[in-house]
Amino acid sequence: AQSVTQLDSHVSVSEGTPVLLRCNYSSSYSPSLFWYVQHPNKGLQLLLKYTSAATLVKGINGFEAEFKKSETSFHLTKPSAHMSDAAEYFCVVSKHTGGFKTIFGAGTRLFVKA
Amino acid sequence: EPEVTQTPSHQVTQMGQEVILRCVPISNHLYFYWYRQILGQKVEFLVSFYNNEISEKSEIFDDQFSVERPDGSNFTLKIRSTKLEDSAMYFCASSETDRSNQPQHFGDGTRLSIL
Repeated sequence: AQSVTQLDSHVSVSEGTPVLLRCNYSSSYSPSLFWYVQHPNKGLQLLLKYTSAATLVKGINGFEAEFKKSETSFHLTKPSAHMSDAAEYFCVVSKHTGGFKTIFGAGTRLFVKA
Repeated sequence: EPEVTQTPSHQVTQMGQEVILRCVPISNHLYFYWYRQILGQKVEFLVSFYNNEISEKSEIFDDQFSVERPDGSNFTLKIRSTKLEDSAMYFCASSETDRSNQPQHFGDGTRLSIL
């Protein structure tokens, strides 16, 4: 069975400080993992994906995520937050072997203070 | 960059009425999906569609729902006899293949409000 847990429903940081959004997953298969961002009244935009090629994945807008199999984690980080990063972030686990499954985490809302 | 487009952006419908939500997937994509996000809740998978057939559907996708690709570009979700609890944001997505390492590209969503 697959599941994904985003450990924080809300994260608040000051502009210019690091961002850490936490995600843990469980999967019976080698998973594909994604982070999506949703700005208000907009769709889901792909930030980055992990597909077993490299454990440290770089995405758009300075975000990156590290796949840690031993910890079953795929945390999203950014060295320096910008006001425009304020949005909802979703960690997603996907498998298409033995039946299609795409599972979304509950989301983490990121607030960025000036 | 190619986009998935959804219309309308907001649909208000009386309970019991039928509603059709429309999506234009990215043109070279072959796999299409609908998701639902009730306010304050998780994004939930509804259905996937390939080669003019439903390939997977969730428990949410009951007889009230249907999907169709009426022409070469549109992909529609029909909800019959709408209920208050159908109020949600509905997202369409598409992907080139069904391999799990292929990301899905999402539209901006249709906000459905049932009165």
